[in-house]
Amino acid sequence: GIQVEQSPPDLILQEGANSTLRCNFSDSVNNLQWFHQNPWGQLINLFYIPSGTKQNGRLSATTVATERYSLLYISSSQTTDSGVYFCAVAREYGNKLVFGAGTILRVKS
Amino acid sequence: NAGVMQNPRHLVRRRGQEARLRCSPMKGHSHVYWYRQLPEEGLKFMVYLQKENIIDESGMPKERFSAEFPKEGPSILRIQQVVRGDSAAYFCASNYRQGVSGANVLTFGAGSRLTVL
Repeated sequence: GIQVEQSPPDLILQEGANSTLRCNFSDSVNNLQWFHQNPWGQLINLFYIPSGTKQNGRLSATTVATERYSLLYISSSQTTDSGVYFCAVAREYGNKLVFGAGTILRVKS
Repeated sequence: NAGVMQNPRHLVRRRGQEARLRCSPMKGHSHVYWYRQLPEEGLKFMVYLQKENIIDESGMPKERFSAEFPKEGPSILRIQQVVRGDSAAYFCASNYRQGVSGANVLTFGAGSRLTVL
């Protein structure tokens, strides 16, 4: 099956810093989503981005489908950005998503 | 719109008991997915259901686990004779349609955390 690798596994930032999270996947995909799992365990969908670039406030994401990777940018980080960021993909149009292991982000004030 | 509702949020069971986890999808959503998150790991797909039908259960353990999504009422994930290895967070997600790009965004519930003693 498709493999999803996320890097880095852990990241500690000072409040206000910027960061880039990476997601590599082993096969072509028609569905790619980024999620944030907050410290209370809630999963929030950040982007549906099988290709191209999207921005939402301080967050943006870019997927280069031909090269099988996606990047999540967090600018001017805040302590509320802390949590685990997951990349999830599916080969077909659907939601049998394969999740990466996540990037644990800690933002310190 | 109340979002995807899961209950209970926390469930404690002793080995050998049964666990029932419930999921009410977002209003208007007819597709339900169950995922399991073991400690320190990402989520893993278990089963995909539409009303009264199991579409894909390739991620379900072969024994003790079952899922349903009846015509009326919530989707139920049932685990019989629980063992310690079943301790995990179980997430339900829903969307309203397949095959159209904008409809592929999953909305997740807050999860049900099962602890087996």
